Amino acid sequence: DTEVTQTPKHLVMGMTNKKSLKCEQHMGHRAMYWYKQKAKKPPELMFVYSYEKLSINESVPSRFSPECPNSSLLNLHLHALQPEDSALYLCASSQGRVNTGELFFGEGSRLTVL
Amino acid sequence: GDSVTQMEGPVTLSEEAFLTINCTYTATGYPSLFWYVQYPGEGLQLLLKATKADDKGSNKGFEATYRKETTSFHLEKGSVQVSDSAVYFCALSGIDSNYQLIWGAGTKLIIKP
Repeated sequence: DTEVTQTPKHLVMGMTNKKSLKCEQHMGHRAMYWYKQKAKKPPELMFVYSYEKLSINESVPSRFSPECPNSSLLNLHLHALQPEDSALYLCASSQGRVNTGELFFGEGSRLTVL
Repeated sequence: GDSVTQMEGPVTLSEEAFLTINCTYTATGYPSLFWYVQYPGEGLQLLLKATKADDKGSNKGFEATYRKETTSFHLEKGSVQVSDSAVYFCALSGIDSNYQLIWGAGTKLIIKP
């Protein structure tokens, strides 16, 4: 199984809503990532979890709250988002503690904030 | 800091044409270099990689050679297909970025039948 599965594929939410994005992998990877990708741009790193501990937070606003319940699951909790937060949110995973640059990406969750 | 520069797109070619997408980088030491591909409506996939100078990465008919002297990692394919239409991202991973990926801007490739 070499898949990273993200749900939902599409999400529309208002600025006062609370929602969550979910990501799951069963490759035994111990590092998981959230990226944000705007149209026609490269992905921007948001958070990195290594061995279920948050190791990198790229100064992301607190309206985005990551959670790693176990080594296979990664969530991104969303609250009081702004329209400019509309984007494709990509989850990725990689082996081990040292990042070799080889990431496995999910298909993404396309978020629209009204 | 580290950076990656890619040729601007879109690049439009006819089927069976030869493809080159240029990528140059700036980095301290000896980074690893990657090409990722993003097909329409999908996430990114690792296409190929090279971890040291003169290494050649290859996959699905695509090739790229790690050229330390020219700090380049150009992507090539001898005969493109319509199914190769996608956005291609060059990236590096090195000590200055704490081994997180530094991405190029991406090059959109359009192949016409």
